[in-house]
Amino acid sequence: EAGVAQSPRYKIIEKRQSVAFWCNPISGHATLYWYQQILGQGPKLLIQFQNNGVVDDSQLPKDRFSAERLKGVDSTLKIQPAKLEDSAVYLCASSLSSPETQYFGPGTRLLVL
Amino acid sequence: EDQVTQSPEALRLQEGESSSLNCSYTVSGLRGLFWYRQDPGKGPEFLFTLYSAGEEKEKERLKATLTKKESFLHITAPKPEDSATYLCAVQAGGAQKLVFGQGTRLTINP
Repeated sequence: EAGVAQSPRYKIIEKRQSVAFWCNPISGHATLYWYQQILGQGPKLLIQFQNNGVVDDSQLPKDRFSAERLKGVDSTLKIQPAKLEDSAVYLCASSLSSPETQYFGPGTRLLVL
Repeated sequence: EDQVTQSPEALRLQEGESSSLNCSYTVSGLRGLFWYRQDPGKGPEFLFTLYSAGEEKEKERLKATLTKKESFLHITAPKPEDSATYLCAVQAGGAQKLVFGQGTRLTINP
């Protein structure tokens, strides 16, 4: 069974630029999560989708971050404009439903200069 | 607010030297406690879920236990390939999200 796929794996941008990340969850998983992991810390949830709908986006900085999940499968996370403090690994995870076990992708490493 | 604290932050062991990692939590109504392993440059890999105090789960050289306030990840006779960061997370109350600790970075020297 294929795991969670993410792209790109690495991205370097300058501050005030925009960037987008893509995630394809495990087939059949209804719930999709985006986490931010700053170096030396545990992952922090940014947004959770159940099929197409947003379940929890309480920790998403909505002035600069946005996310969508079209057709209840793939998802994109966008940052516009990026700040230096956005440098982190962005992890996507999926689960059959909630609260089932979450399975993580390899992450996208973002460096904002 | 749900909180998870892991200790120690880093642990260095010799191959074959058994030890334990600690995860202390403060939550309102624990639904599940999760252990993940994270290798450098990779996403977290699921290890165990524990649901109630007294529960134990084992996988190869790892055993996870749970009390009402903390969880331990015991590693018996570790090998260099067990070197990784071990993350603990809780799912609590009506929330569906995982709240993670900061992790324990484990190094096993040959």
